[in-house]
Amino acid sequence: AQKVTQAQTEISVVEKEDVTLDCVYETRDTTYYLFWYKQPPSGELVFLIRRNSFDEQNEISGRYSWNFQKSTSSFNFTITASQVVDSAVYFCALSEHGDSSYKLIFGSGTRLLVRP
Amino acid sequence: SAVISQKPSRDICQRGTSLTIQCQVDSQVTMMFWYRQQPGQSLTLIATANQGSEATYESGFVIDKFPISRPNLTFSTLTVSNMSPEDSSIYLCSVESTGAGPEKLFFGSGTQLSVL
Repeated sequence: AQKVTQAQTEISVVEKEDVTLDCVYETRDTTYYLFWYKQPPSGELVFLIRRNSFDEQNEISGRYSWNFQKSTSSFNFTITASQVVDSAVYFCALSEHGDSSYKLIFGSGTRLLVRP
Repeated sequence: SAVISQKPSRDICQRGTSLTIQCQVDSQVTMMFWYRQQPGQSLTLIATANQGSEATYESGFVIDKFPISRPNLTFSTLTVSNMSPEDSSIYLCSVESTGAGPEKLFFGSGTQLSVL
């Protein structure tokens, strides 16, 4: 069965600190996709990244970086030099694309609080 | 990309009544999904709605409680029937993009439902 675990319920950091949000997933499929979404207090879901299971290359986008490790079934997300605007709930999600649809299984989310 | 308009944005309803949530997309899409986010929780898929066929419900969700319509490729509705306080949640519509970009799933801004 598919499962996404975000063990960190809440993280609090001071502005400019680096912070890593953990995501561990379970799937029996060899083809799957991993996502990260940000949900700010306003409630909308903001897409951050999609990664397919065949691409283990780490990715950096500005202050954001992602570390995909198939050997440990992890897809961790790091924010460098955090800012107050990064305060949000972050969701990791998994999709098996076998039936040609991106049906997502979400983790429980990690609430990040960045203090000034 | 896809722009999703979801109505209403919020509502307060009485126990035993029903509410229909509308999801309008600015382009034709094949796959539409309905998610529920209970207070402080993650997102859970309710059902997948394809045009011209019955919606496919996930475990724990039934058509009598959450009837879905999908009359065309740009519109869908989700009804929350015979509501109880346990139905208080955010309901989100999501569509799958056929574009080449990495953001394969787009989410509406959600409907915040409170049942008294």
